[in-house]
Amino acid sequence: DVKVTQSSRYLVKRTGEKVFLECVQDMDHENMFWYRQDPGLGLRLIYFSYDVKMKEKGDIPEGYSVSREKKERFSLILESASTNQTSMYLCASSKQGRDTQYFGPGTRLTVL
Amino acid sequence: GEDVEQSLFLSVREGDSSVINCTYTDSSSTYLYWYKQEPGAGLQLLTYIFSNMDMKQDQRLTVLLNKKDKHLSLRIADTQTGDSAIYFCAETSNDYKLSFGAGTTVTVRA
Repeated sequence: DVKVTQSSRYLVKRTGEKVFLECVQDMDHENMFWYRQDPGLGLRLIYFSYDVKMKEKGDIPEGYSVSREKKERFSLILESASTNQTSMYLCASSKQGRDTQYFGPGTRLTVL
Repeated sequence: GEDVEQSLFLSVREGDSSVINCTYTDSSSTYLYWYKQEPGAGLQLLTYIFSNMDMKQDQRLTVLLNKKDKHLSLRIADTQTGDSAIYFCAETSNDYKLSFGAGTTVTVRA
């Protein structure tokens, strides 16, 4: 089975802090994704990566950056956290192209 | 991404069938998905359908696709309390991106 893990289930940070969310997949997938989930809005794509050191902006990249130094790991970075970034963050991976995306359990981030 | 719309809530009695509806706007959609999210958990892929299919059945789940009307539905037969969750419809037309609906919260009552 595909396993996608995220470093924290719950995280509380203060406004202005730098925040790192980590995601690891164990199936040698090419593609990795970061989404945020907000009630009534569904999932919105922040960034994705289709190869090591490659990244593409999604629909809402502002205020975020990403890093993919190794194939199995995709990090989401909030350079200076703000209260409007309080949300559930979901990581996903897929083998390649349009293959099915598999999701991690999510990180619920609260920014005070 | 392209628009994907779903109703936000559905209440169903245990043992009845549930039908969750979804509409999308991208006529070039190739794969359409249903994901389930239980409380406090990530998304679990339930099923998917390729755009050249009309129907797909998998145990208690039936997916119907009307490509002309861009309408997708998920029917859950004999709904159980464990089916209480948020169900997301999603579609993809390009190589990487999924477009999600807002999710339908299904509540199963005894």
